[in-house]
Amino acid sequence: GQNIDQPTEMTATEGAIVQINCTYQTSGFNGLFWYQQHAGEAPTFLSYNVLDGLEEKGRFSSFLSRSKGYSYLLLKELQMKDSASYLCAVIATNKLIFGTGTLLAVQP
Amino acid sequence: EAQVTQNPRYLITVTGKKLTVTCSQNMNHEYMSWYRQDPGLGLRQIYYSMNVEVTDKGDVPEGYKVSRKEKRNFPLILESPSPNQTSLYFCASSFGAMGTDTQYFGPGTRLTVL
Repeated sequence: GQNIDQPTEMTATEGAIVQINCTYQTSGFNGLFWYQQHAGEAPTFLSYNVLDGLEEKGRFSSFLSRSKGYSYLLLKELQMKDSASYLCAVIATNKLIFGTGTLLAVQP
Repeated sequence: EAQVTQNPRYLITVTGKKLTVTCSQNMNHEYMSWYRQDPGLGLRQIYYSMNVEVTDKGDVPEGYKVSRKEKRNFPLILESPSPNQTSLYFCASSFGAMGTDTQYFGPGTRLTVL
């Protein structure tokens, strides 16, 4: 079967660093996306990993380990506007499967 | 501006009254898809289309229909809506026909079926 796991909720402090984990068990793997979704809005693209390692883009970084079926999204220098849901999505056998998302609350 | 548009953004209707949610993209994308998003269940794919006149079922197709007569448009049709179709709906498109590229999402349609 296809399964993607993320923590349901996380809380962090403004200015800090937070890591959101995603583990997956899928039939086939062709890449992993992270999307950000503010409440009531559409998901927007953050990052894409297909090879093992770290991809850095400004304050956001994403890591992938294909052998472990594991990824994380790292957010640095947290800002209040980073309060949102973060969706992990896996490309499995030409199909995109979304996790249920992690709701991040950034507190002052 | 490159975008995916959906209409209407909000809709309250009654059981059994047919409705259509339109979706249009101006990026010449091959792949288009409809998702519904429910609390605790995440985004689930309803239908997708890899090109004009090519559509296929996603994970939760029951109670929905789609068509792809033109590349830019991908309407979602609920022939006889029921309360369990109350949800937040997103249309998305991506460049490649396989749908494995970055997805661009429309703003969403919040549907309530009474």
